[in-house]
Amino acid sequence: DAGVTQSPTHLIKTRGQHVTLRCSPISGHKSVSWYQQVLGQGPQFIFQYYEKEERGRGNFPDRFSARQFPNYSSELNVNALLLGDSALYLCASSLQYERREMNTEAFFGQGTRLTVV
Amino acid sequence: DAKTTQPNSMESNEEEPVHLPCNHSTISGTDYIHWYRQLPSQGPEYVIHGLTSNVNNRMASLAIAEDRKSSTLILHRATLRDAAVYYCILSYNTDKLIFGTGTRLQVFP
Repeated sequence: DAGVTQSPTHLIKTRGQHVTLRCSPISGHKSVSWYQQVLGQGPQFIFQYYEKEERGRGNFPDRFSARQFPNYSSELNVNALLLGDSALYLCASSLQYERREMNTEAFFGQGTRLTVV
Repeated sequence: DAKTTQPNSMESNEEEPVHLPCNHSTISGTDYIHWYRQLPSQGPEYVIHGLTSNVNNRMASLAIAEDRKSSTLILHRATLRDAAVYYCILSYNTDKLIFGTGTRLQVFP
């Protein structure tokens, strides 16, 4: 089975532009989460989607938005890009069981490296 | 969200055991202790997780203090491929992981 796939792998944008990042979860995984990782820091949680509904949101401005499609793939959109948005954007997918102790791990993609100039 | 404290960096020689500590004095009763690692230029990778009892898997062991205010990730025989940043995370579930700055492990041949 393929792992979590993200596209594109690298992207260069200009300040003020808009960007769309894409994520395909592992087959059968209905939960997708997005993270931003600035150089030298740990990943920061942005959004979580489950069954096409937003289930969690981190401390990010409204310029950041996301959605999940019927096939459970997801898009992260960032408007009005700032230099500070330059980062590695990571997508993670996981199974969701009703019994919490069965939720073992999140699977991360390789990320999209966004550079804003 | 509960906070964890880890050393910024640690060193080990190949083939030796490595003990990576994590303090989490404000852990709540519903928090699981998760460990992930991130190799250079890759996304984080799950290592192990536990709630109260010590846990073992093919990658590592997790020793959890009786009061759950600290834990230790144990790599039994470090290899060069274990060089990575190791994150200790407290979380109710796997969908919202709050990463700290982690411990950068260097492994020397």
